[in-house]
Amino acid sequence: AQKVTQAQTEISVVEKEDVTLDCVYETRDTTYYLFWYKQPPSGELVFLIRRNSFDEQNEISGRYSWNFQKSTSSFNFTITASQVVDSAVYFCALSEEIQGAQKLVFGQGTRLTINP
Amino acid sequence: SAVISQKPSRDICQRGTSLTIQCQVDSQVTMMFWYRQQPGQSLTLIATANQGSEATYESGFVIDKFPISRPNLTFSTLTVSNMSPEDSSIYLCSAFLDEQYFGPGTRLTVT
Repeated sequence: AQKVTQAQTEISVVEKEDVTLDCVYETRDTTYYLFWYKQPPSGELVFLIRRNSFDEQNEISGRYSWNFQKSTSSFNFTITASQVVDSAVYFCALSEEIQGAQKLVFGQGTRLTINP
Repeated sequence: SAVISQKPSRDICQRGTSLTIQCQVDSQVTMMFWYRQQPGQSLTLIATANQGSEATYESGFVIDKFPISRPNLTFSTLTVSNMSPEDSSIYLCSAFLDEQYFGPGTRLTVT
């Protein structure tokens, strides 16, 4: 069965610090996708990134970066120079493809608090 | 990108009653998904709704409790039946186009 583990339940840092959120996954599929979502206090899910299992290149988007390592089944997320607005719950998710659509298995989430 | 709307955005319901949640996507999609997020928890898939066929339910979820309709390619409903306080959750619908999009959620409180 597919599984996503986010070992860090809560993280609290001071503004401008860098912070890394860990994500480890388990799957028997050879083709899959990995996702990160942000859920601010308002509750909506904000899509951050999707990564194909065949693409192990790291990705950077502004202050956000993602490190995908297939050898360790990890897909970690780093926020550089954190800001108070980054405070949210972050979910890592793993997909299972069904007829072209993707069913997601979510990790337990990491609650990130950025203190001014 | 897709826009997904849900109605109602929130509701407070009495134990034993039922609530139907509507989900509208602004594009045609083959499959829609319903997730539940219990307080302080992660998201769990309830069922996958394919237009023109019965929904497929995940382990621990049954059609009698969570009946789903999918009358066309842009719309779906989830009913939470015979509610109990344990059903208090956020219910989210989701659809895949170029990405996996989520609706804003329906925050349900059962008293």
